[in-house]
Amino acid sequence: QVQLVESGGGVVLPGGSLRISCAASGFTFSSYAMHWVRQTPGKGLEWVAFVRYNGDNYHADSVKGRFIISRDNSKNTLYLQMNNLRPEDTAVYFCAKLCNGGSCYIDFWGQGTLVTVSS
Amino acid sequence: DIQMTQSPSSLSASVGDRVTITCRASQGISNSLAWYQQKPGKVPELLIYAASTLQSGVPSRFSGSGSGTDFTLTISSLQPEDVATYYCQKYNSAPWTFGQGTKVEIK
Repeated sequence: QVQLVESGGGVVLPGGSLRISCAASGFTFSSYAMHWVRQTPGKGLEWVAFVRYNGDNYHADSVKGRFIISRDNSKNTLYLQMNNLRPEDTAVYFCAKLCNGGSCYIDFWGQGTLVTVSS
Repeated sequence: DIQMTQSPSSLSASVGDRVTITCRASQGISNSLAWYQQKPGKVPELLIYAASTLQSGVPSRFSGSGSGTDFTLTISSLQPEDVATYYCQKYNSAPWTFGQGTKVEIK
């Protein structure tokens, strides 16, 4: 069965960096596009970044130039490198698998990892 | 960028009521719209994709409709286990914007 397990969250100072990971199993990771989506405690969902199977990527304007999505298909792992973190980046970060197709929806979500940016 | 606007932001209804949530895109997105359900303390789950296709395993009391800019999610007979926040999301192109969510409670 599909599993997505995020890790690497924690507390970081404003201006600091953090890399979170998502270990995928139960499907052919190298064939699927993936998202990072975040949710501020008690608030809604915000799309953060997207990466195709081949590494082509997009980032939300709110994180462009600070966050970088990447993947290692040999390790079945998705990453989000977060630099110059701000208090407003505090959120639960979910990795999400897309369906198989050109324009695709999320068909499976990980459990999330909490990132707290605070002094 | 295309904005996604959901209404209402919250609603309270009785068990057995018909509930309708709307999602409006600021520009046409064809039928590239998904609905997700997030129960309290849980991870979001896919309910509907392609605006009206029910994900496998989702109860038939859920339905979706619409195309272009206006979409609806309907629960034909609200059940206690449907208490959740519901989100729409466009997926035709970047950015993959979510609506702000609709919180559904039991009266």
